[in-house]
Amino acid sequence: SQKIEQNSEALNIQEGKTATLTCNYTNYSPAYLQWYRQDPGRGPVFLLLIRENEKEKRKERLKVTFDTTLKQSLFHITASQPADSATYLCALAGGGNKLTFGTGTQLKVEL
Amino acid sequence: EAGVVQSPRYKIIEKKQPVAFWCNPISGHNTLYWYLQNLGQGPELLIRYENEEAVDDSQLPKDRFSAERLKGVDSTLKIQPAELGDSAVYLCASSSHRGRDTGELFFGEGSRLTVL
Repeated sequence: SQKIEQNSEALNIQEGKTATLTCNYTNYSPAYLQWYRQDPGRGPVFLLLIRENEKEKRKERLKVTFDTTLKQSLFHITASQPADSATYLCALAGGGNKLTFGTGTQLKVEL
Repeated sequence: EAGVVQSPRYKIIEKKQPVAFWCNPISGHNTLYWYLQNLGQGPELLIRYENEEAVDDSQLPKDRFSAERLKGVDSTLKIQPAELGDSAVYLCASSSHRGRDTGELFFGEGSRLTVL
């Protein structure tokens, strides 16, 4: 069966360090993958989209990689700040143009 | 530009009662989604509309859930009767893409339902 896995445990890092979040998937051949940020009590907010023929995408302090051989995407936040603390969701576009979300990883950036 | 608007933000009802959620998407967005999100989980698709047509409702529990999108703009999601397990956040999202490329989804703040 299709599965999207993100670390269920919260990731705690110090301010200024690089945060790396992982999204692994099985039994998918996604045309593209998206990352969203979600704050408590709010709806998800789109961050980045990366296509299957792209290896890497950057936006300011954010970087996403997409390895279709490993079936994995890595999401990096460089020079992390306490304001980056949130839950980060990956989402895969599978068959029928359906976007399926992972369970999300909670990031806490400490002073 | 106004974002996706949902109401009510919070709703508490007793089991077996009906409930309805309303969504106004971003102007011009032809695709509208209803997602359900349980605590600690990612959003799960209930139904997707392209204009007024429901193109994917395979995950919608049709025995108690119904949805409509009048004139391809606003949408209403109804639960009747509600069960305890329906307690969750109901998210509405819209996008301006159609077909193969879903593109960026714009989400509303969600409607949190508590069934007692």
